[in-house]
Amino acid sequence: EVQLVQSGPEVKKPGESLKISCQVSGYSFTKYWIGWVRQMPGKGLEWMGIIYPGDSDTRYHPSFQGQVTISADKSISTAYLQWSSLKASDTAMYYCARHISTLGTMWLDYWGHGTLVTVSS
Amino acid sequence: SYELTQPPSVSVSPGQTVSIACSGDNLGDKYTSWYQQRPGQSPVLVIYQNTERPSGIPERFSGSNSGHTAALTISGTQAMDEADYFCQAWDSTTAVFGGGTKLTVL
Repeated sequence: EVQLVQSGPEVKKPGESLKISCQVSGYSFTKYWIGWVRQMPGKGLEWMGIIYPGDSDTRYHPSFQGQVTISADKSISTAYLQWSSLKASDTAMYYCARHISTLGTMWLDYWGHGTLVTVSS
Repeated sequence: SYELTQPPSVSVSPGQTVSIACSGDNLGDKYTSWYQQRPGQSPVLVIYQNTERPSGIPERFSGSNSGHTAALTISGTQAMDEADYFCQAWDSTTAVFGGGTKLTVL
């Protein structure tokens, strides 16, 4: 059974750093793209970026390039999303999701339960 | 950047058929996927590659894509189908989501 287990909720102050995680099981971590999706309170889904753990190839949506860092640790089948300096506008639910890539397209077939990040002074 | 547009809300009576549209420039040249998100839950993939249903998704969910518009159709809508629905396409090197449609089953 494919499972994506995300780290717990976080409450941080503006300017602080943060790294959240997504540990997978039930499939070969290095053979699928895995990425992150933001959902701000009461809003829609925003695709942030993906990483291919097999070779660490990473791609970001232009809106998130330079704002976050996506990484992965193959030894523990875990993907990460990190910020070096949080802003109040980073308050959101963050989902990790496995991506299926074929025929020049991708879709997200398995999702984590989400990590709620709250940034407030 | 590429954009996908969905109606904010759609309503349907139980047992009826409803379609949710997703429009984008030459969207028919791309593959579209659809996700269902019930309140307080993670999104769930219901359609991929325009028309394919993942294992476990009821047959009442179907998809189409042509020209500038993709559509998710739910036949014999049930109360449990009340949720937000998001379309998604792949543009060059990034995924793009539509703004989402809230489906109300009256």
